[in-house]
Amino acid sequence: DQQVKQNSPSLSVQEGRISILNCDYTNSMFDYFLWYKKYPAEGPTFLISISSIKDKNEDGRFTVFLNKSAKHLSLHIVPSQPGDSAVYFCAASEGTDKLIFGTGTRLQVFP
Amino acid sequence: NAGVTQTPKFRVLKTGQSMTLLCAQDMNHEYMYWYRQDPGMGLRLIHYSVGEGTTAKGEVPDGYNVSRLKKQNFLLGLESAAPSQTSVYFCASSYSGIEAFFGQGTRLTVV
Repeated sequence: DQQVKQNSPSLSVQEGRISILNCDYTNSMFDYFLWYKKYPAEGPTFLISISSIKDKNEDGRFTVFLNKSAKHLSLHIVPSQPGDSAVYFCAASEGTDKLIFGTGTRLQVFP
Repeated sequence: NAGVTQTPKFRVLKTGQSMTLLCAQDMNHEYMYWYRQDPGMGLRLIHYSVGEGTTAKGEVPDGYNVSRLKKQNFLLGLESAAPSQTSVYFCASSYSGIEAFFGQGTRLTVV
């Protein structure tokens, strides 16, 4: 049973515009959420995180929003750049034992 | 800075053969993880460890064993490889149990 879901396998956005990646979860005990970025033939790298006590966290062009009542989080990238083209994974943790990942969304930013 | 190093990077096994994947981290992290990545399935947690001498099952532990005899090393073993274990395997480590740092991955093919 998938506890963390990314329902859009791919997203295509024009350079300079906003990219919005979505993630849903089922476990209400998750208390930390993260986004990872992955390029081909490389391991995932940490991008941004948010605690369940917050509803927004911003880091430069990246903002993560958390809606606990809807069990939904999203990653906004503004403005999108070609170098942002990668697979983005949403992840969640309950306590500090383990990270559960979603299936990923492939973002393509075109000129 | 080595970070998280996985050995080997590529391997082809015959069905029924055994092998061990080695993960080494030089960041003095307590937490270590093994994930597998398959198309359309995202990253799935196989086993993890919250400290030297400890291991625990993740989402898909069947067919795998692990050991954490030294804090810096986390070994993943396949006793009798099956074609269903063809995957890309990622090791990760974490100081907090939340943000994790990943290795470059091991591409394993079982024929």
